[in-house]
Amino acid sequence: GENVEQHPSTLSVQEGDSAVIKCTYSDSASNYFPWYKQELGKRPQLIIDIRSNVGEKKDQRIAVTLNKTAKHFSLHITETQPEDSAVYFCIAGAGSYQLTFGKGTKLSVIP
Amino acid sequence: NAGVTQTPKFQVLKTGQSMTLQCAQDMNHEYMSWYRQDPGMGLRLIHYSVGAGITDQGEVPNGYNVSRSTTEDFPLRLLSAAPSQTSVYFCASSRSAGENTIYFGEGSWLTVV
Repeated sequence: GENVEQHPSTLSVQEGDSAVIKCTYSDSASNYFPWYKQELGKRPQLIIDIRSNVGEKKDQRIAVTLNKTAKHFSLHITETQPEDSAVYFCIAGAGSYQLTFGKGTKLSVIP
Repeated sequence: NAGVTQTPKFQVLKTGQSMTLQCAQDMNHEYMSWYRQDPGMGLRLIHYSVGAGITDQGEVPNGYNVSRSTTEDFPLRLLSAAPSQTSVYFCASSRSAGENTIYFGEGSWLTVV
């Protein structure tokens, strides 16, 4: 089955700096790579996703890059704000029941 | 739309007790699933359903049963609760099994003592 490794497990940045979270996956059949944000005590919510036919996708301060050859993808958050503090999960897979979660990165943005 | 609704939000059980976590969605989604979230483990798939009358096991199915008699509802049953089942449980749905975007319920915090 799919194996997703996510790094780092914790990340602290100063407000206004950039944050980068990296994930690797093992199954070359995976073609969908979403990122979810989970605030403390809340449900995970989709923030951005990318499919295997695209190398990069951007949405305001958030971007995701995908390197299919190396089987890794990354989340980039620029100009971080305190409200970006949360746990971020990367996911790799195909259909909805074939999604494998990374273990999460706890991002802390220090004002 | 209420989206995905889970009940109860908090529950304390004694070892050996049984209970059902309820999940309902009002988006006419075909695909529904249950995950458990443990510290440092991400979310792990327990059971899923691709439509009414169809269920299948995920990564960690032992100790749990599900049924899908209607499109809207997907209850999760703990048959004989164990301390290892202390966790946060999330129900989720998507338009179909091939539609990747999944929407989560608010979560159910379960403690087994």
